Amino acid sequence: SSELTQDPAVSVALGQTVRITCQGDSLRSYYASWYQQKPGQAPVLVIYGKNNRPSGIPDRFSGSSSGNTASLTITGAQAEDEADYYCNSRDSSGNPVFGGGTKLTVL
Amino acid sequence: EVQLVESGGGLVKPGGSLRLSCAASGFTFSSYSMNWVRQAPGKGLEWVSSISSSSSYIYYADSVKGRFTISRDNAKNSLYLQMNSLRAEDTAVYYCARDSSGWQANWFDPWGQGTLVTVSS
Repeated sequence: SSELTQDPAVSVALGQTVRITCQGDSLRSYYASWYQQKPGQAPVLVIYGKNNRPSGIPDRFSGSSSGNTASLTITGAQAEDEADYYCNSRDSSGNPVFGGGTKLTVL
Repeated sequence: EVQLVESGGGLVKPGGSLRLSCAASGFTFSSYSMNWVRQAPGKGLEWVSSISSSSSYIYYADSVKGRFTISRDNAKNSLYLQMNSLRAEDTAVYYCARDSSGWQANWFDPWGQGTLVTVSS
């Protein structure tokens, strides 16, 4: 079982704001990174560190953290944002661990 | 362009072996730790193994410890995963991913396109 917990599915209306959360004790010490994965494709990093976006990631993606919860927020969700989203941090042994993933549906 | 390209996947019988490769280009491979991450069909991402830039530090998930061996050849800009005693539950797409770190943070970027390993009789 994962030491990072995500809601299995979330939906958002086109153009609205959605928050995807990730809970785990390690998030009190480490920032989460977030990955977007579309069907048949490799994961793509969308947020890392405190709130950093790699080159090419739209600024509607942002990250935040509070206590044991990290959040990925999409402000003004677009149809192309429909995907699976995974958070990543460290487990109790210090090894990387992924959340179970959240399937985002854009209505 | 920073790029990772995996190869070596295929169909193998339970108990068999397979060696995956990941060819890196577009960055100084010898300066980065590297990882293998897998994804079983219809499932989430699972970290498999990490290796530091000089191979001094190597880590494995409990699910593969004692069966898989990660290695790298910095002269060839290549990462490897030797998989022995394969089980049906090892069936997955295997991705290599570059490791980066900052203050209280680690992240994987970029990822390769993945190579499918199927363990079945």
